Amino acid sequence: GENVEQHPSTLSVQEGDSAVIKCTYSDSASNYFPWYKQELGKRPQLIIDIRSNVGEKKDQRIAVTLNKTAKHFSLHITETQPEDSAVYFCAASQGSARQLTFGSGTQLTVLP
Amino acid sequence: NAGVTQTPKFQVLKTGQSMTLQCAQDMNHEYMSWYRQDPGMGLRLIHYSVGAGITDQGEVPNGYNVSRSTTEDFPLRLLSAAPSQTSVYFCASTQQETQYFGPGTRLLVL
Repeated sequence: GENVEQHPSTLSVQEGDSAVIKCTYSDSASNYFPWYKQELGKRPQLIIDIRSNVGEKKDQRIAVTLNKTAKHFSLHITETQPEDSAVYFCAASQGSARQLTFGSGTQLTVLP
Repeated sequence: NAGVTQTPKFQVLKTGQSMTLQCAQDMNHEYMSWYRQDPGMGLRLIHYSVGAGITDQGEVPNGYNVSRSTTEDFPLRLLSAAPSQTSVYFCASTQQETQYFGPGTRLLVL
């Protein structure tokens, strides 16, 4: 089955700096890669996703890049703000199967 | 439109007790799933369903049963709770590839 590894497990940045979280996956058949943000005590919420026919996708301060050859994808957050502090999860699936395999999460802390 | 709802929000069980975690969605999604979330381990798939009457096992199905008699409801049953099942449980429903999570049930097994 699919295996998703996520790094780093914790990340602290100064407000206004950029943050990068990286994930690798094992199954070359995976073609859908979402990122979720989870605030303390809340449910995971989708913030951005990318499909394997696209190399990069941006949504305001958030971007995701995908390298199919190397089987890794990354989340980039620019101009970080304190409200970006949360746990971020990457995931991978074969789109038609819709079964997500999650990474272990990254605790992002944005220091004021 | 309530989205995905889960009950209860919090439950304490003794080892060996049984209970059902409820999940419902009003978005008419065919695909639903159950995950458990443990510290440092992300979310792991327990069971999923691709439609009424159809269920299948995920990564960690042992100790859990599911059924899907209607499109709206997807209950998760613990037949004999164990301390290892202490976790936060999330139900999700899926439209195309996007999964929408419920608010979660925090379960403590003593």
